[in-house]
This record gives sequence, structure tokens and C-alpha cells, in this order.
Amino acid sequence: QKEVEQNSGPLSVPEGAIASLNCTYSDRGSQSFFWYRQYSGKSPELIMSIYSNGDKEDGRFTAQLNKASQYVSLLIRDSQPSDSATYLCAVNRFFWNNDMRFGAGTRLTVKP
Amino acid sequence: EPEVTQTPSHQVTQMGQEVILRCVPISNHLYFYWYRQILGQKVEFLVSFYNNEISEKSEIFDDQFSVERPDGSNFTLKIRSTKLEDSAMYFCASRPGLLESNYGYTFGSGTRLTVV
Repeated sequence: QKEVEQNSGPLSVPEGAIASLNCTYSDRGSQSFFWYRQYSGKSPELIMSIYSNGDKEDGRFTAQLNKASQYVSLLIRDSQPSDSATYLCAVNRFFWNNDMRFGAGTRLTVKP
Repeated sequence: EPEVTQTPSHQVTQMGQEVILRCVPISNHLYFYWYRQILGQKVEFLVSFYNNEISEKSEIFDDQFSVERPDGSNFTLKIRSTKLEDSAMYFCASRPGLLESNYGYTFGSGTRLTVV
């Protein structure tokens, strides 16, 4: 069983639409959850972190966490062509174990 | 804004040669990491480093790999005898102390290693 799973996409949305990205994780003891954006050939860039059940909003981005379902998602409102990238879900497995594991990423294309 | 700096940006080496990838983490960060990403694949954890020792390593990080913090600023990854399958982008990352465990890592811009 993969530790962190994402729908690989590609996901294509029109400009101005809401993009919805999903992620599930296998370790029930996972504590912290992150969404990174990665442009082709570049390093991952942190967008959001979340550690409590519920929603967390930051500008056009909303992260949602449901620990009972072992599910985390990212919503991007008013999607822009510049949002076109691969979005990586990452999970800190345990509080005392400080390495982070990534999903394979979902490629998002926002069409003008 | 503080950055994680990696050098070189691109390294080409012959199979069997040793390479050293260099990183300068953010100065007040305490935890350091190496990840790699083979072209078209996911970002894979290699090793974490804290208090001058390895705290965890993955199954990828075998005897061919080693890490070192030779001084107060540099953090290096050495591959002793490179193989073709070591060709990948290698990312260094750092983060603050454990109490800030909810902070994401800051990644460097990466070193693209090509083994020929």
C-alpha cells in the first residue's frame, strides 16, 4: 500500500474555475499535511500546511483535512493559467519522526 | 527571504565516479534532508539529519551514500560509486526545530545529476 496516494491526473480546468486535488494517506498516526506546487524542472514550493481536521484558507487556496477518512484535499478557487503545475501532497508520518513523504503528484492544467 | 542553496546546479559524471552534492541550509534551521526525484517520478526521501547524525534513512540510502555536515553551514551528500540509475534531481531541504513540526520544509533549487 502506498503511503501517500494522489489521483495522478492530468486535471484540466478552465480559467476561473475551482480545481480540486485529492490525497489519501495510509499511516493513521500522521500528524502534519502539506501541499507543494512544483513547476517543471523546479523544486517543490510550499503552498499550505494543515494539521487539524477541517478547512484552512489562504487566499485562493483552501486545504481540507479529515483524519478519520485519512484524506486531505486542496481547492484552488479562481484558477489562473499560472496555477498550471504539479501539486504534491506530503505527509509527516509521526510527530517524533521528522521526515516527510510525498505522493506522486497531480498535474493541473488551467486553460485560458 | 532565507534560501537553501545547492551547488552545482548540474553535475555530469561517469559511472563509477564519486560525486559530492553540496547544500547550505537556512542558518537557524535544525533539521536537514536529502530527497531525490528521478525524471517523471515522485519526490523520494533519502535521509534526514539532526544534531550531527542521521536520524532516519530510506531503503534507497545504501552504503554508497553518505552525508556530512563538515562545518556549521554546509551539508553534503556523497555518492561513492555512481550508477546510471542514480541520475536524478537531488533536493536538499531544511526546517526549523521539532516544535515547529507543522512547518513545511524549505527546498533548495536542486542539483541535476547525470551519470553517463
